[in-house]
Amino acid sequence: GNSVTQMEGPVTLSEEAFLTINCTYTATGYPSLFWYVQYPGEGLQLLLKATKADDKGSNKGFEATYRKETTSFHLEKGSVQVSDSAVYFCALSETLQGAQKLVFGQGTRLTINP
Amino acid sequence: DVKVTQSSRYLVKRTGEKVFLECVQDMDHENMFWYRQDPGLGLRLIYFSYDVKMKEKGDIPEGYSVSREKKERFSLILESASTNQTSMYLCASSLSGWGYNEQFFGPGTRLTVL
Repeated sequence: GNSVTQMEGPVTLSEEAFLTINCTYTATGYPSLFWYVQYPGEGLQLLLKATKADDKGSNKGFEATYRKETTSFHLEKGSVQVSDSAVYFCALSETLQGAQKLVFGQGTRLTINP
Repeated sequence: DVKVTQSSRYLVKRTGEKVFLECVQDMDHENMFWYRQDPGLGLRLIYFSYDVKMKEKGDIPEGYSVSREKKERFSLILESASTNQTSMYLCASSLSGWGYNEQFFGPGTRLTVL
């Protein structure tokens, strides 16, 4: 079946550092790809998405490009802030009974120190 | 704004008890989902529903059942709680229709089974 693999955490960086969180996937067909973020004590929020190969999703300074040739969707940010501390989930969508089901990676906890 | 609410943020139950987790959404979404979140495993789909009184098993339905009597409400039931069901439970909802529709998540219920 479809699956998503993220880099192991936790990841700890200093403020203004460059961030990369790796994500690779295995899927039949051409799923849409997503990054969700979970801030402390909250549910998940959609951070960005890409629906086809070579699409770039972006939001709040974060970017990720759908790379079909390497089956990857790595999350990047040029200069992280303390407020970016959260758990980040990579996910892909698959259709099940007409509903779009999400398959998640294991999550990467990010801590940014001032 | 879409709002997904869950009946409790924290719940402590004893082994063998019947447990009800309630989820309500206020945006007339057709699809509703129950996930459990465990460290190192990401989110795994337990059940989902694409219409009132309709339900489909997800990846880990064993030990759980669901009920959807009204469009806005989706309940997760643990018939006889066990310690291995200690986890964070997240509810989500989305519109149906062609293409991907964003899933909106509630804040989660952290269930401890003693």
